Amino acid sequence: GAVVSQHPSRVICKSGTSVKIECRSLDFQATTMFWYRQFPKQSLMLMATSNEGSKATYEQGVEKDKFLINHASLTLSTLTVTSAHPEDSSFYICSASPFDGYEQYFGPGTRLTVT
Amino acid sequence: KNEVEQSPQNLTAQEGEFITINCSYSVGISALHWLQQHPGGGIVSLFMLSSGKKKHGRLIATINIQEKHSSLHITASHPRDSAVYICAVYHNNDMRFGAGTRLTVKP
Repeated sequence: GAVVSQHPSRVICKSGTSVKIECRSLDFQATTMFWYRQFPKQSLMLMATSNEGSKATYEQGVEKDKFLINHASLTLSTLTVTSAHPEDSSFYICSASPFDGYEQYFGPGTRLTVT
Repeated sequence: KNEVEQSPQNLTAQEGEFITINCSYSVGISALHWLQQHPGGGIVSLFMLSSGKKKHGRLIATINIQEKHSSLHITASHPRDSAVYICAVYHNNDMRFGAGTRLTVKP
């Protein structure tokens, strides 16, 4: 149980375009979903926390207009990187929690490359 | 100083060796997680603990709340254990991550 999927697993896009990444909890309802990014050989950095039906809470330094998060249902959250630039290239990981984050289940991650 | 410190940063072992990875934290926590991240990037939650000790197969995790310290042990290590092991603490409705320990087990 407690499986979280992400789609796509890899994406390459051109600078200036937008990319949407989906995060789904497959066998439980996720009250809270988290979005992280990870640069090579570094730990996870929390970008934002989203609760179903409400606006996401962004960490300091994360541009909410650039990284749009929509938690439309209890099983789906999306992260859209708008007007992507090469510096946005990173590994994006979501996690989902049936409660308030106490227990988190991680997705497999999405590797974004912006050329 | 990071709120969650792991040691060592890198660890190379021979197959069969007993492995210990340490995690110290400086904030009050309600739970501590040990995560495993394989080279492909996917993260698996190994343990969540708030006191005492947990065991799953060859993996053992312990935590000492008074000393703000946790250890992850791997017995009879195997090359497939090669991964990055991340300690994360749950603090004020937020998870804080250690930098990770990169483990390589050689056959």
